[in-house]
Amino acid sequence: DAGVIQSPRHEVTEMGQEVTLRCKPISGHDYLFWYRQTMMRGLELLIYFNNNVPIDDSGMPEDRFSAKMPNASFSTLKIQPSEPRDSAVYFCASSLYWTGGAGDTQYFGPGTRLTVL
Amino acid sequence: AQKITQTQPGMFVQEKEAVTLDCTYDTSDPSYGLFWYKQPSSGEMIFLIYQGSYDQQNATEGRYSLNFQKARKSANLVISASQLGDSAMYFCAMRESGLGSGGSNYKLTFGKGTLLTVNP
Repeated sequence: DAGVIQSPRHEVTEMGQEVTLRCKPISGHDYLFWYRQTMMRGLELLIYFNNNVPIDDSGMPEDRFSAKMPNASFSTLKIQPSEPRDSAVYFCASSLYWTGGAGDTQYFGPGTRLTVL
Repeated sequence: AQKITQTQPGMFVQEKEAVTLDCTYDTSDPSYGLFWYKQPSSGEMIFLIYQGSYDQQNATEGRYSLNFQKARKSANLVISASQLGDSAMYFCAMRESGLGSGGSNYKLTFGKGTLLTVNP
């Protein structure tokens, strides 16, 4: 089975431009997570969805960031306008469960390396 | 206070030897889960092993085992018979409910990682 798919793998853009990152979770997984990884802050959870509904977006840094999940097989993370401090690796992950049990393993996509000039 | 502490920024091990990567955690939740992930230089995050707080036995997955000491709040990863391909960054992570801090949603918090280098 295919794992979590993310696109693009690399994105270079200029400050002020809109950036859209895409994610396809593992089929049948009900939970989808967006993370950001930087050297300074490590891995941070930005937002997660359950059955396409955003559950916790407390990690979204500011209003410039938005995430949607229009259906069970697709999610986007949008940054508008982008700034140099948004440069990071953005990971999407999915899990079958997220209910506090043994089946809560999150499987990560390959990440999108974003560079904002 | 940090929820996940990995005190070893870098570790070196000879090929075929065993190595232990340290992880201590801090939570007031009675039920929590501990995960280890591997991140090679290519960047992807690979799930290795899981330990639940109520699990009586230490988790094992092939060459990976988790030395879970609940009273000490430690969940060290043991890699036996190291291979060159084990060279990577290793992250310890904890899932907790967030109820102890007033939240209501499960969160996964990652440590800062340990860079393991396996020497031939």
